[in-house]
Amino acid sequence: AQRVTQPEKLLSVFKGAPVELKCNYSYSGSPELFWYVQYSRQRLQLLLRHISRESIKGFTADLNKGETSFHLKKPFAQEEDSAMYYCALSGRGANSKLTFGKGITLSVRP
Amino acid sequence: EAGVTQFPSHSVIEKGQTVTLRCDPISGHDNLYWYRRVMGKEIKFLLHFVKESKQDESGMPNNRFLAERTGGTYSTLKVQPAELEDSGVYFCASSQVAGYSYEQYFGPGTRLTVT
Repeated sequence: AQRVTQPEKLLSVFKGAPVELKCNYSYSGSPELFWYVQYSRQRLQLLLRHISRESIKGFTADLNKGETSFHLKKPFAQEEDSAMYYCALSGRGANSKLTFGKGITLSVRP
Repeated sequence: EAGVTQFPSHSVIEKGQTVTLRCDPISGHDNLYWYRRVMGKEIKFLLHFVKESKQDESGMPNNRFLAERTGGTYSTLKVQPAELEDSGVYFCASSQVAGYSYEQYFGPGTRLTVT
Protein backbone atom coordinates (compact mmCIF):
# COMPACT_ATOMS: atom_id res chain seq x y z
CA ALA A 1 0.00 0.00 0.00
CA GLN A 2 1.19 3.50 -0.68
CA ARG A 3 1.43 5.87 2.23
CA VAL A 4 2.80 9.32 3.02
CA THR A 5 3.68 10.29 6.55
CA GLN A 6 4.11 13.83 7.77
CA PRO A 7 4.89 13.37 11.46
CA GLU A 8 4.24 16.91 12.62
CA LYS A 9 1.05 18.97 12.39
CA LEU A 10 2.51 22.37 13.11
CA LEU A 11 5.87 24.08 12.82
CA SER A 12 6.28 27.59 14.14
CA VAL A 13 9.52 29.49 13.47
CA PHE A 14 10.75 33.06 13.45
CA LYS A 15 11.47 34.89 10.22
CA GLY A 16 14.97 34.08 9.00
CA ALA A 17 15.12 30.70 10.74
CA PRO A 18 15.72 27.49 8.77
CA VAL A 19 12.77 25.27 8.01
CA GLU A 20 12.57 21.54 7.47
CA LEU A 21 9.23 19.87 6.85
CA LYS A 22 9.51 16.13 7.11
CA CYS A 23 7.96 13.60 4.76
CA ASN A 24 8.42 9.84 4.61
CA TYR A 25 6.74 7.55 2.17
CA SER A 26 5.97 3.93 1.50
CA TYR A 27 5.56 2.67 -2.04
CA SER A 28 6.44 -0.51 -3.89
CA GLY A 29 8.16 0.78 -6.98
CA SER A 30 9.46 4.16 -8.06
CA PRO A 31 7.04 6.91 -7.11
CA GLU A 32 6.84 10.53 -8.10
CA LEU A 33 7.12 12.80 -5.06
CA PHE A 34 5.56 16.24 -4.72
CA TRP A 35 5.11 19.08 -2.28
CA TYR A 36 1.84 20.99 -2.54
CA VAL A 37 1.10 24.22 -0.68
CA GLN A 38 -2.12 25.94 0.25
CA TYR A 39 -1.86 29.58 1.28
CA SER A 40 -4.69 31.20 3.20
CA ARG A 41 -7.83 31.50 1.06
CA GLN A 42 -6.06 30.10 -2.00
CA ARG A 43 -6.30 26.77 -3.75
CA LEU A 44 -3.90 23.90 -3.42
CA GLN A 45 -0.96 24.38 -5.76
CA LEU A 46 2.15 22.48 -6.68
CA LEU A 47 5.28 23.81 -4.99
CA LEU A 48 7.83 21.40 -6.36
CA ARG A 49 8.37 17.82 -7.49
CA HIS A 50 11.40 15.63 -7.15
CA ILE A 51 11.81 14.95 -10.84
CA SER A 52 12.38 18.60 -11.72
CA ARG A 53 15.07 19.13 -9.07
CA GLU A 54 14.20 22.81 -8.90
CA SER A 55 14.33 25.34 -6.10
CA ILE A 56 11.02 27.15 -5.85
CA LYS A 57 10.64 30.22 -3.59
CA GLY A 58 13.87 29.14 -1.92
CA PHE A 59 12.53 25.68 -1.07
CA THR A 60 14.31 22.48 -2.04
CA ALA A 61 13.51 18.83 -1.48
CA ASP A 62 15.76 15.87 -2.10
CA LEU A 63 14.45 12.39 -2.63
CA ASN A 64 16.31 9.91 -0.42
CA LYS A 65 15.36 6.46 -1.61
CA GLY A 66 17.35 4.72 1.11
CA GLU A 67 15.45 6.52 3.85
CA THR A 68 12.26 6.83 1.75
CA SER A 69 12.12 10.50 2.60
CA PHE A 70 11.39 13.72 0.73
CA HIS A 71 11.91 16.47 3.28
CA LEU A 72 11.24 20.08 2.31
CA LYS A 73 13.85 22.63 3.33
CA LYS A 74 14.40 26.35 3.25
CA PRO A 75 17.41 28.03 4.83
CA PHE A 76 15.71 31.32 5.76
CA ALA A 77 11.95 31.37 6.31
CA GLN A 78 9.86 34.37 5.29
CA GLU A 79 6.49 35.44 6.68
CA GLU A 80 4.86 34.79 3.31
CA ASP A 81 5.85 31.13 3.62
CA SER A 82 3.16 30.67 6.24
CA ALA A 83 0.77 28.10 4.78
CA MET A 84 -0.34 24.48 4.86
CA TYR A 85 2.13 22.11 3.19
CA TYR A 86 1.28 18.66 1.89
CA CYS A 87 3.66 15.97 0.79
CA ALA A 88 2.23 13.66 -1.86
CA LEU A 89 3.21 10.79 -4.10
CA SER A 90 1.91 9.17 -7.23
CA GLY A 91 2.78 6.20 -9.33
CA ARG A 92 3.88 6.55 -12.90
CA GLY A 93 2.02 6.33 -16.14
CA ALA A 94 -1.64 5.51 -15.69
CA ASN A 95 -1.31 5.26 -11.89
CA SER A 96 -1.26 9.00 -11.43
CA LYS A 97 -3.57 9.46 -8.46
CA LEU A 98 -2.03 11.41 -5.61
CA THR A 99 -1.67 10.01 -2.11
CA PHE A 100 -1.31 12.83 0.40
CA GLY A 101 0.12 13.14 3.85
CA LYS A 102 -1.94 14.84 6.53
CA GLY A 103 -0.23 18.14 5.96
CA ILE A 104 1.68 20.50 8.20
CA THR A 105 0.93 24.10 9.05
CA LEU A 106 3.99 26.31 8.83
CA SER A 107 3.75 29.54 10.78
CA VAL A 108 6.52 32.09 10.31
CA ARG A 109 6.50 34.80 12.94
CA PRO A 110 8.00 38.27 12.41
CA GLU B 1 -5.88 30.84 -18.74
CA ALA B 2 -8.85 29.89 -16.56
CA GLY B 3 -8.05 27.41 -13.85
CA VAL B 4 -10.10 24.50 -12.61
CA THR B 5 -13.48 25.70 -11.42
CA GLN B 6 -15.90 24.02 -9.04
CA PHE B 7 -19.53 24.71 -8.24
CA PRO B 8 -20.95 25.32 -5.74
CA SER B 9 -18.31 26.65 -3.38
CA HIS B 10 -20.38 25.61 -0.39
CA SER B 11 -23.40 23.36 0.02
CA VAL B 12 -25.41 22.65 3.16
CA ILE B 13 -27.92 19.82 2.94
CA GLU B 14 -29.81 17.55 5.27
CA LYS B 15 -29.04 13.91 5.75
CA GLY B 16 -30.86 11.88 3.12
CA GLN B 17 -30.89 14.61 0.49
CA THR B 18 -29.04 14.59 -2.82
CA VAL B 19 -26.24 16.92 -3.83
CA THR B 20 -24.44 17.28 -7.15
CA LEU B 21 -21.01 18.85 -7.33
CA ARG B 22 -19.59 20.10 -10.59
CA CYS B 23 -16.03 20.45 -11.80
CA ASP B 24 -14.82 22.19 -14.96
CA PRO B 25 -11.22 21.22 -15.70
CA ILE B 26 -8.69 23.30 -17.56
CA SER B 27 -9.54 23.23 -21.24
CA GLY B 28 -7.71 20.45 -23.05
CA HIS B 29 -6.86 18.46 -19.93
CA ASP B 30 -7.68 14.80 -20.42
CA ASN B 31 -7.22 13.77 -16.81
CA LEU B 32 -9.75 14.73 -14.17
CA TYR B 33 -9.53 13.69 -10.53
CA TRP B 34 -11.81 13.94 -7.54
CA TYR B 35 -10.44 14.07 -4.00
CA ARG B 36 -11.96 14.89 -0.66
CA ARG B 37 -10.76 15.98 2.76
CA VAL B 38 -12.89 14.92 5.67
CA MET B 39 -12.41 16.97 8.84
CA GLY B 40 -9.15 16.17 10.56
CA LYS B 41 -8.03 13.68 7.96
CA GLU B 42 -5.81 13.75 4.91
CA ILE B 43 -6.91 14.53 1.38
CA LYS B 44 -7.99 11.25 -0.18
CA PHE B 45 -8.37 10.19 -3.77
CA LEU B 46 -11.85 9.30 -5.00
CA LEU B 47 -11.56 8.65 -8.70
CA HIS B 48 -9.79 9.46 -11.95
CA PHE B 49 -11.21 10.05 -15.42
CA VAL B 50 -9.24 9.94 -18.62
CA LYS B 51 -11.46 11.85 -21.01
CA GLU B 52 -14.89 10.32 -20.44
CA SER B 53 -13.67 6.96 -19.13
CA LYS B 54 -13.16 6.02 -15.51
CA GLN B 55 -9.52 5.06 -15.20
CA ASP B 56 -9.55 4.38 -11.47
CA GLU B 57 -12.49 4.54 -9.07
CA SER B 58 -10.85 2.65 -6.24
CA GLY B 59 -11.32 5.53 -3.81
CA MET B 60 -15.08 5.85 -4.11
CA PRO B 61 -16.38 5.10 -0.62
CA ASN B 62 -19.64 3.38 -1.56
CA ASN B 63 -22.42 3.26 -4.14
CA ARG B 64 -24.02 6.45 -2.83
CA PHE B 65 -21.39 8.30 -4.86
CA LEU B 66 -21.75 8.56 -8.62
CA ALA B 67 -19.33 10.41 -10.85
CA GLU B 68 -19.80 11.19 -14.51
CA ARG B 69 -17.84 12.98 -17.19
CA THR B 70 -20.02 13.03 -20.25
CA GLY B 71 -18.22 14.15 -23.39
CA GLY B 72 -14.92 14.27 -21.60
CA THR B 73 -15.32 17.87 -20.46
CA TYR B 74 -16.84 18.78 -17.12
CA SER B 75 -17.57 16.24 -14.43
CA THR B 76 -20.25 15.85 -11.80
CA LEU B 77 -20.14 14.02 -8.52
CA LYS B 78 -23.50 13.11 -7.06
CA VAL B 79 -24.04 11.99 -3.50
CA GLN B 80 -27.39 10.26 -2.99
CA PRO B 81 -28.50 9.97 -0.25
CA ALA B 82 -26.05 12.08 1.70
CA GLU B 83 -24.91 10.94 5.13
CA LEU B 84 -23.31 12.93 7.95
CA GLU B 85 -19.88 11.38 7.30
CA ASP B 86 -19.91 12.78 3.75
CA SER B 87 -19.22 16.26 5.11
CA GLY B 88 -15.90 17.64 3.98
CA VAL B 89 -14.20 19.51 1.19
CA TYR B 90 -14.34 17.96 -2.26
CA PHE B 91 -11.53 18.90 -4.61
CA CYS B 92 -11.28 18.45 -8.31
CA ALA B 93 -7.98 18.47 -10.18
CA SER B 94 -7.01 18.16 -13.80
CA SER B 95 -3.86 17.45 -15.74
CA GLN B 96 -2.62 16.97 -19.24
CA VAL B 97 -0.90 13.84 -20.28
CA ALA B 98 2.46 15.53 -20.03
CA GLY B 99 5.01 12.83 -20.51
CA TYR B 100 6.78 11.51 -17.52
CA SER B 101 5.10 13.25 -14.63
CA TYR B 102 1.71 14.73 -14.20
CA GLU B 103 1.19 18.12 -12.59
CA GLN B 104 -2.32 18.27 -11.23
CA TYR B 105 -4.05 21.64 -11.03
CA PHE B 106 -6.59 21.92 -8.27
CA GLY B 107 -9.88 23.71 -8.06
CA PRO B 108 -10.88 25.75 -5.01
CA GLY B 109 -12.97 22.92 -3.61
CA THR B 110 -16.61 22.52 -2.63
CA ARG B 111 -17.32 22.50 1.09
CA LEU B 112 -20.17 20.06 1.74
CA THR B 113 -21.94 20.14 5.07
CA VAL B 114 -24.50 17.43 5.80
CA THR B 115 -26.69 18.15 8.83
